[in-house]
Amino acid sequence: ETGVTQTPRHLVMGMTNKKSLKCEQHLGHNAMYWYKQSAKKPLELMFVYNFKEQTENNSVPSRFSPECPNSSHLFLHLHTLQPEDSALYLCASSHGERNEQFFGPGTRLTVL
Amino acid sequence: GEDVEQSLFLSVREGDSSVINCTYTDSSSTYLYWYKQEPGAGLQLLTYIFSNMDMKQDQRLTVLLNKKDKHLSLRIADTQTGDSAIYFCAERRNNFNKFYFGSGTKLNVKP
Repeated sequence: ETGVTQTPRHLVMGMTNKKSLKCEQHLGHNAMYWYKQSAKKPLELMFVYNFKEQTENNSVPSRFSPECPNSSHLFLHLHTLQPEDSALYLCASSHGERNEQFFGPGTRLTVL
Repeated sequence: GEDVEQSLFLSVREGDSSVINCTYTDSSSTYLYWYKQEPGAGLQLLTYIFSNMDMKQDQRLTVLLNKKDKHLSLRIADTQTGDSAIYFCAERRNNFNKFYFGSGTKLNVKP
């Protein structure tokens, strides 16, 4: 238990659906992250929020839309996804100069 | 290159030592990390090393850093079946909030 929770743990959706992934951290951190993990590829940083402000958008397609209403919650809104978007989506948070990131368990997303 | 590189697989026998290697990209990276990912779980921070150190030991884990070659290694002594997982190397480059991860090394420990 790392103090970072993600829901749902598994999600299957069609290409025309709209869904949202949720992340919550109970660590008092000020930065939150979304990563995409695909098999045999490096972890891909998607978005970074620091004190609720987006500081990084790593050329992510607009069908992924992040939202950070406060420092404890992070959402990833999904619409009109493609099958190649199927992956494990990991949320992380961090605080302080050392900046080590604490990860949630991930949401396994399958796009049909 | 731009990528943090790791070999994809490593297989060892229980009780042996495991050495997982990583090549990172930015000689000015200040912190380097090792994370462990067990099946169905997120990444768990194992250990980290500051760039002014050559070695860090933490119980069964030893991290070695060669800044000249930008090479990082993780040695696990007396490897157990519970150590079977994917191990990720990561570097924190100059940008405060930007991490770069390798593809992960899948460690398989045979009884």
